[in-house]
Amino acid sequence: SQQGEEDPQALSIQEGENATMNCSYKTSINNLQWYRQNSGRGLVHLILIRSNEREKHSGRLRVTLDTSKKSSSLLITASRAADTASYFCATDVGGSTLGRLYFGRGTQLTVWP
Amino acid sequence: DTGVSQDPRHKITKRGQNVTFRCDPISEHNRLYWYRQTLGQGPEFLTYFQNEAQLEKSRLLSDRFSAERPKGSFSTLEIQRTEQGDSAMYLCASSLGIAGNEETQYFGPGTRLLVL
Repeated sequence: SQQGEEDPQALSIQEGENATMNCSYKTSINNLQWYRQNSGRGLVHLILIRSNEREKHSGRLRVTLDTSKKSSSLLITASRAADTASYFCATDVGGSTLGRLYFGRGTQLTVWP
Repeated sequence: DTGVSQDPRHKITKRGQNVTFRCDPISEHNRLYWYRQTLGQGPEFLTYFQNEAQLEKSRLLSDRFSAERPKGSFSTLEIQRTEQGDSAMYLCASSLGIAGNEETQYFGPGTRLLVL
């Protein structure tokens, strides 16, 4: 079974609003990563947060990690129509499978102009 | 272009035919990964290489699937006797491969396979 699960499955907002997506996972992790995928295209890496980090920022992106709750959130501030895409969280559980990523089903974000 | 490239981008084949996909990773990257993604799902891990060595294979990789990375550079993924259930996007990713370090994986654009 896939390690990460995103919530909600779909999110529709207006330009300028903030978008928050959540990810829950099942086992201990080495790090958690967020990716974006435009329709029918490859994945673009957004941000990596390590298990000993609680928050990370990159431009309009803010990622939090709560290892006690096995959850992460991705916040996109001041959203733009170009942010429309699917967003996936992926976990690296480390150990003998270091580097192997487990993806959730993704959140489909639609930003209306 | 210094990113990960994949060829072909699209492939339509008839059930029972063999297909081969190619992935060219970022040149200094030692690790290369293959994932499969079906509609509405996230990518699922298939296999990965550290240089030319294939270190792990998923249970998803049946006997009809074989992957190689002969010189530790590009990789090929072959599917023999394709089935309609093989229809999916096949994604390749690469990373630096520094032992013991977590790393960003950089993905290619994918090869979309349709088996009729």
